[in-house]
Amino acid sequence: GEDVEQSLFLSVREGDSSVINCTYTDSSSTYLYWYKQEPGAGLQLLTYIFSNMDMKQDQRLTVLLNKKDKHLSLRIADTQTGDSAIYFCAERRSGAGSYQLTFGKGTKLSVIP
Amino acid sequence: NAGVTQTPKFQVLKTGQSMTLQCAQDMNHNSMYWYRQDPGMGLRLIYYSASEGTTDKGEVPNGYNVSRLNKREFSLRLESAAPSQTSVYFCASSAQTGGAETQYFGPGTRLLVL
Repeated sequence: GEDVEQSLFLSVREGDSSVINCTYTDSSSTYLYWYKQEPGAGLQLLTYIFSNMDMKQDQRLTVLLNKKDKHLSLRIADTQTGDSAIYFCAERRSGAGSYQLTFGKGTKLSVIP
Repeated sequence: NAGVTQTPKFQVLKTGQSMTLQCAQDMNHNSMYWYRQDPGMGLRLIYYSASEGTTDKGEVPNGYNVSRLNKREFSLRLESAAPSQTSVYFCASSAQTGGAETQYFGPGTRLLVL
């Protein structure tokens, strides 16, 4: 399909790990991104991964990329209440003009104290 | 650096009214974008500007016009607002970061069209 797919909701307990999944559309996408949106705010870049990588780790964040299945995931270790937000997956499709990004609909992460 | 700024933060319009949403960035970025965000729809690209003096349509351009006034400023105009344009509008600008083109977002303008 044409859409970047994400599940809409995820609920985890504080201290547990969160895994947010995304399926993207273009197998030749060069970069894939994770953005975080807190209530009433704009999107903030969390991390990105280049398509020739399988994994990228940045402190509590781990990104896994499966190019064969066009599957991207974001793992947040030791999830905190401050991680409650909407998380967007985005891909930069090949041939897209001016570095256009295509976003998923977002996964709302709720952290239970 | 203020980053990406947008004005106004909130606006209520009546159907048929016009308005311009302002966006400015102080990061010397070449590319700028306008998105709208609707519940359950994610972000959809309205227009973008690859560089000063150029603009191109995105996924949902109908009912909108844009102006890239200079490198810093990119405005979005609704000539005759419709209730379907009730949304949250985000402006973004982008730069290369370690090879990736990274977009930086403003705080958004919340628009209600009655």
